[in-house]
Amino acid sequence: AQSVTQPDIHITVSEGASLELRCNYSYGATPYLFWYVQSPGQGLQLLLKYFSGDTLVQGIKGFEAEFKRSQSSFNLRKPSVHWSDAAEYFCAVGERGSQGNLIFGKGTKLSVKP
Amino acid sequence: KAGVTQTPRYLIKTRGQQVTLSCSPISGHRSVSWYQQTPGQGLQFLFEYFSETQRNKGNFPGRFSGRQFSNSRSEMNVSTLELGDSALYLCASSSTSGYNEQFFGPGTRLTVL
Repeated sequence: AQSVTQPDIHITVSEGASLELRCNYSYGATPYLFWYVQSPGQGLQLLLKYFSGDTLVQGIKGFEAEFKRSQSSFNLRKPSVHWSDAAEYFCAVGERGSQGNLIFGKGTKLSVKP
Repeated sequence: KAGVTQTPRYLIKTRGQQVTLSCSPISGHRSVSWYQQTPGQGLQFLFEYFSETQRNKGNFPGRFSGRQFSNSRSEMNVSTLELGDSALYLCASSSTSGYNEQFFGPGTRLTVL
């Protein structure tokens, strides 16, 4: 069965520091990959996605992610974190050919120190 | 384009009651998916509708049901509410591009007392 693992439940970084959030997936083929962000009491906002092609994808708010097939990973990065980035981040996998069903990791809560 | 809208935003019910939640997708999107989010289980897929037909279903009891109307608006219904049904219910819509890129609404917070 497909699964998504986000090993870090909670991460704290200082404002201006770099950030990397880890995501590993279990899937038989290359899935569609997504990162979403959720602020308290809000829905999910799509940060970026990977379907095929260039394994380094750029998203909104200065985020990027790199797909590494050999490691089954899709880690999210940002070179300099802003206080407004504090939120919960979710990695998700979508099965090719199967609409409507995303499998999510448990999320990583990001806190930003001033 | 307006985003995905969900009504109501907050709901309080008691055990044994039933509830109906509504979702209006982004204009032109014909696929609507529903998810349940709880602190313990995280985000779990409930079901997906496309052109008024349920195409995909998660592992939830039959008390959870849904439907989609010809204008792509969707409703989900939970009957005989249990305390464990307290959750944030998220609706997402997507186009028919096949890439499963989903856009989420703000959710409905359901509290069961």
